[in-house]
Amino acid sequence: DQQVKQNSPSLSVQEGRISILNCDYTNSMFDYFLWYKKYPAEGPTFLISISSIKDKNEDGRFTVFLNKSAKHLSLHIVPSQPGDSAVYFCAASAITSGTYKYIFGTGTRLKVLA
Amino acid sequence: DGGITQSPKYLFRKEGQNVTLSCEQNLNHDAMYWYRQDPGQGLRLIYYSQIVNDFQKGDIAEGYSVSREKKESFPLTVTSAQKNPTAFYLCASRSWDSNQPQHFGDGTRLSIL
Repeated sequence: DQQVKQNSPSLSVQEGRISILNCDYTNSMFDYFLWYKKYPAEGPTFLISISSIKDKNEDGRFTVFLNKSAKHLSLHIVPSQPGDSAVYFCAASAITSGTYKYIFGTGTRLKVLA
Repeated sequence: DGGITQSPKYLFRKEGQNVTLSCEQNLNHDAMYWYRQDPGQGLRLIYYSQIVNDFQKGDIAEGYSVSREKKESFPLTVTSAQKNPTAFYLCASRSWDSNQPQHFGDGTRLSIL
């Protein structure tokens, strides 16, 4: 049972335009959501997060939106740059048996075209 | 510079052999995690540890073992019982405070000879 889903395996965007990456989840107990960026042969790098008590968090070019009623999370990158080309994972966290466990989506490969 | 160090970056295993992947962190984090990534899949949790000398199985623990003798170190052993060990292995850590991200090492790619 995939609790965190990224339904788009890939996305291509022109440089300077907006990139929108989407993520859906099923477990209403998740209270913390994160986006990670990953280059080949490297570990994921934390990008931005949002608590379930908020619906938006912004950090520079990156904004995460949370729609709890729809159980939907999105990451907006504006403007997109070629260096943003990477695989993006969304993750959701809930405390389970006294510890924080993270469930990751399958990733979306973003390609920003120059 | 604080971070998580995984070694080696590439590892080859012969049939029937156990291999150990190293993970060291100097972030003073309490919790440490091991994940496995396969092509086209998300990260799947193998084992995690909240404190020294304590660890729990994740979703795919069969064929793996861990130890947590020091706060800084959380090695993963891939045993011969793991029939499909070829994958990219990632170690992560986080502080115990709520709503904190995990920080990852650069991974170890394990292949079968």
